Amino acid sequence: NAGVMQNPRHLVRRRGQEARLRCSPMKGHSHVYWYRQLPEEGLKFMVYLQKENIIDESGMPKERFSAEFPKEGPSILRIQQVVRGDSAAYFCASSPPRGGQDTQYFGPGTRLTVL
Amino acid sequence: GNSVTQMEGPVTLSEEAFLTINCTYTATGYPSLFWYVQYPGEGLQLLLKATKADDKGSNKGFEATYRKETTSFHLEKGSVQVSDSAVYFCALSDQGYGGATNKLIFGTGTLLAVQP
Repeated sequence: NAGVMQNPRHLVRRRGQEARLRCSPMKGHSHVYWYRQLPEEGLKFMVYLQKENIIDESGMPKERFSAEFPKEGPSILRIQQVVRGDSAAYFCASSPPRGGQDTQYFGPGTRLTVL
Repeated sequence: GNSVTQMEGPVTLSEEAFLTINCTYTATGYPSLFWYVQYPGEGLQLLLKATKADDKGSNKGFEATYRKETTSFHLEKGSVQVSDSAVYFCALSDQGYGGATNKLIFGTGTLLAVQP
């Protein structure tokens, strides 16, 4: 059973460009979480999605950030008009449907560098 | 709101030394508690968890006990190895308003460096 997949692993963007980060959850998992880790800090929750629904986006910046988890395909975290402060590691985690919802399994992360 | 506080690092130990990394939490309700480990350049791996008071989570020689009376979940290992060098994160599950969310609230992480 493959783990949580994220791509790309490293992404370099210039200020003003768009960044798209992809996350494929573990097989059988229908819940996806995105977290951001700024340099030398802990992880901060951004958004929680189920298939085709955003359940909790209380940690998302109000502008430029969006997330989706379509019926088919990976979850996408999209950052428009990136700025240097967006440089961070972005981690996706997935969990199974309620009953095993407590444990989240993390992907390897995407390290975004904004020049 | 809910929060996690863990001891700052780095913690530097010699191989076979005893390890304690302190973690305390503030939470309403009865969250589950976790320790995750992050090796250099990698994502987080679940190390152990406990879902209710007095539960003890254990894995790979590490253990932590959910202490409701002291709101703590300290990580311990009797004899560390060089391969244990990593960043350790304490976390709790936060069900959010209405209980619909199960996001994790993390501490800032503790870097452990084990020297041979």
